[in-house]
Amino acid sequence: AQRVTQPEKLLSVFKGAPVELKCNYSYSGSPELFWYVQYSRQRLQLLLRHISRESIKGFTADLNKGETSFHLKKPFAQEEDSAMYYCAPSSGSARQLTFGSGTQLTVLP
Amino acid sequence: ETGVTQSPTHLIKTRGQQVTLRCSSQSGHNTVSWYQQALGQGPQFIFQYYREEENGRGNFPPRFSGLQFPNYSSELNVNALELDDSALYLCASSYSLFGLASAGELFFGEGSRLTVL
Repeated sequence: AQRVTQPEKLLSVFKGAPVELKCNYSYSGSPELFWYVQYSRQRLQLLLRHISRESIKGFTADLNKGETSFHLKKPFAQEEDSAMYYCAPSSGSARQLTFGSGTQLTVLP
Repeated sequence: ETGVTQSPTHLIKTRGQQVTLRCSSQSGHNTVSWYQQALGQGPQFIFQYYREEENGRGNFPPRFSGLQFPNYSSELNVNALELDDSALYLCASSYSLFGLASAGELFFGEGSRLTVL
């Protein structure tokens, strides 16, 4: 069965510290992988996708096929990064997203 | 450019009733996906509509059904409501070419929060 695991429900770091949000997946085939973010009182939105290999708002995510992980990283966290982050592989005929349970990141001043 | 809009924003129903939720897709998008988000969980895929037909379905029973209209707006219908149907229902629109969904970039609405008593 396809599965996405985000082991940390809550994560707190201080401003300026590095942050890593973990994501492990169990999938048949080669899914495309995404990180979605929901800031307070805003709607869910795409943060980044692995295929584009870009850095968005200082975040990067490396796909490790051997470990089936897609961890999200930022070297220096900012208070405005506080949000709920969801890892989401995409697969199936509808290219539907399977969301993890999310990690609530709080960046402390 | 108009974003995804959903209605109603909140509603309360009793067990056994039926509910219809509505979604207007973002301008230029032709595909609508519906997700259910229970409290403390990530969104779960219900189904997707493209060209007024179901284009993929998650692990939800047949009492969850949908429609897509020629203007690409969509409805989610749930019959015989159960307590566990209480959740936030999210609609997301995207653009698909020839039925091949564009992977990943979905534009979400703010959701309809359903409470079943």
